[in-house]
Amino acid sequence: GQNIDQPTEMTATEGAIVQINCTYQTSGFNGLFWYQQHAGEAPTFLSYNVLDGLEEKGRFSSFLSRSKGYSYLLLKELQMKDSASYLCAVDGGSYIPTFGRGTSLIVHP
Amino acid sequence: DAGVIQSPRHEVTEMGQEVTLRCKPISGHDYLFWYRQTMMRGLELLIYFNNNVPIDDSGMPEDRFSAKMPNASFSTLKIQPSEPRDSAVYFCASSPLQGGVGGYTFGSGTRLTVV
Repeated sequence: GQNIDQPTEMTATEGAIVQINCTYQTSGFNGLFWYQQHAGEAPTFLSYNVLDGLEEKGRFSSFLSRSKGYSYLLLKELQMKDSASYLCAVDGGSYIPTFGRGTSLIVHP
Repeated sequence: DAGVIQSPRHEVTEMGQEVTLRCKPISGHDYLFWYRQTMMRGLELLIYFNNNVPIDDSGMPEDRFSAKMPNASFSTLKIQPSEPRDSAVYFCASSPLQGGVGGYTFGSGTRLTVV
């Protein structure tokens, strides 16, 4: 089986930086994904990590440590529109990712 | 591209009734996935297809659920008979690759309420 843990909720201030952590335990590993989901909408793909290290994409970056079973999503220069749920998903070897429960991020002025 | 198209957006039905959810994947995407999302269980994979063939339906909760993909541009998820515990948002997603290296593209979802 697979176990994926994320904080349930986080709050942050507009303009600040926030880090959303994800830890996982899987028998195998083919990659880790981050998705963004605004309330009432579909998840949208943000990033994919398969090698250790940091992948930067604009204001969003994603980090992976395979040996530690750990990833984080870093959001810089937070905007109100970044208020959403952020889903960590792990491909544990089946080429089909399993999703975590998601972290609800609330950005306030 | 219009993206993944799902219908209906909302469905309210009475317990015991049959419900059919529809999905049109992105043209050229060989993989189609049906997910269910609830507050309690998050996003769960129900079934996925490759080139219209069901590959893994181990996530289908019980025999009341069935899915078909008669051609590359259309899939249905049917619940018969429906029960209140089936209330959830059902998402369809498609991808050109199984591993989803570029991520899956999700439809807007169908919010199902069974009363």
